[in-house]
Amino acid sequence: DVKVTQSSRYLVKRTGEKVFLECVQDMDHENMFWYRQDPGLGLRLIYFSYDVKMKEKGDIPEGYSVSREKKERFSLILESASTNQTSMYLCASSSMVGTGTTTNEKLFFGSGTQLSVL
Amino acid sequence: QKEVEQNSGPLSVPEGAIASLNCTYSDRGSQSFFWYRQYSGKSPELIMFIYSNGDKEDGRFTAQLNKASQYVSLLIRDSQPSDSATYLCAVMQLADKLIFGTGTRLQVFP
Repeated sequence: DVKVTQSSRYLVKRTGEKVFLECVQDMDHENMFWYRQDPGLGLRLIYFSYDVKMKEKGDIPEGYSVSREKKERFSLILESASTNQTSMYLCASSSMVGTGTTTNEKLFFGSGTQLSVL
Repeated sequence: QKEVEQNSGPLSVPEGAIASLNCTYSDRGSQSFFWYRQYSGKSPELIMFIYSNGDKEDGRFTAQLNKASQYVSLLIRDSQPSDSATYLCAVMQLADKLIFGTGTRLQVFP
């Protein structure tokens, strides 16, 4: 089974702190993603990466950065945590299954990190 | 208009009934469509995907896609209390961007 591991299940930080959220996958997937999930807003894409040292902005990248130095590891960094970054953060990796011109991307999620910024 | 819309629910159905979950999307170029199930306090897990018009069946689950109407649905037959969860619709757009709806909470009561 695919395993996507997030380093912390719960995290409490103070405003202004630099926060690192780590994610590791063991299936040699090329694609990795960071989402945040908030009530009423659903899952929103922060950043994603299709290859080592590669990153692309998602829908809400402001206040975040990422690092992908190794294929299996994708880190999310909050440069200066703010209270509006209190959220559930979900890491995912995916395999691509090509069918002609259509690709199906199956996401496998980690168990999530509930971050509270005080 | 949201890119992927779902009724937040809750949708309440009795055990053994058919639960029908609906999703509409705005981008006509969308290629693939996914249904994820998320239990309370857990992360989403993929249960179905579909990319051609029509129906796709997998056990008690049937995904239905109508690209002309920009509509995708999930039917759960013989609903069980263990099916109680939030169901997320996700749509893959042309830029390989996966957009999620906010989810529909399903409650199956005995």
